[in-house]
Amino acid sequence: AQSVTQLGSHVSVSEGALVLLRCNYSSSVPPYLFWYVQYPNQGLQLLLKYTSAATLVKGINGFEAEFKKSETSFHLTKPSAHMSDAAEYFCAVLNSGYSTLTFGKGTMLLVSP
Amino acid sequence: GAGVSQSPSNKVTEKGKDVELRCDPISGHTALYWYRQSLGQGLEFLIYFQGNSAPDKSGLPSDRFSAERTGGSVSTLTIQRTQQEDSAVYLCASSLGLAGETDTQYFGPGTRLTVL
Repeated sequence: AQSVTQLGSHVSVSEGALVLLRCNYSSSVPPYLFWYVQYPNQGLQLLLKYTSAATLVKGINGFEAEFKKSETSFHLTKPSAHMSDAAEYFCAVLNSGYSTLTFGKGTMLLVSP
Repeated sequence: GAGVSQSPSNKVTEKGKDVELRCDPISGHTALYWYRQSLGQGLEFLIYFQGNSAPDKSGLPSDRFSAERTGGSVSTLTIQRTQQEDSAVYLCASSLGLAGETDTQYFGPGTRLTVL
């Protein structure tokens, strides 16, 4: 069975600083990985997804993630944080067999001025 | 509509009552999913529909939970004899139903259920 682990339930950065949100996966087959963002009182919005076409994936709002098989990681980064990036971020893996997702516990990103 | 819609947005009920949560998927999406988001458990998969059939119900936590989908579109999640531990945000998602990685799930805003 596939699973993902997000390190750090909360990450705090200053505006303009690098954002790094960590995600490690466990999968017996090549994984398909996703990052979603959830703003307060809203549903989940897809940021980006890894589909094996390229290891560096660019998403919306300046975010990107790099798939590293040797480290079983899919960390999310953004060079310069903006106040509007404050939200909860979820890493997810597509389950084999069907199309359901298994999510990590989420990381709340706090951005201070 | 343009996105997945859910109703009601908020539902407060008394313990022991039944509730129905509704999901309208994106037009043309054959796959539909229900997830539950709670403080202690994070995001949990509940049930998956392909068309009107549910090939995966493995996430339903008890037989008090059921879901149906009619006409390959609207879905209703029903919780009978609600308990306080059912309090959570129930999220619905839909996708084109394509096999593999190209099938992106789009989420609705959720229904916040509070059981008193």
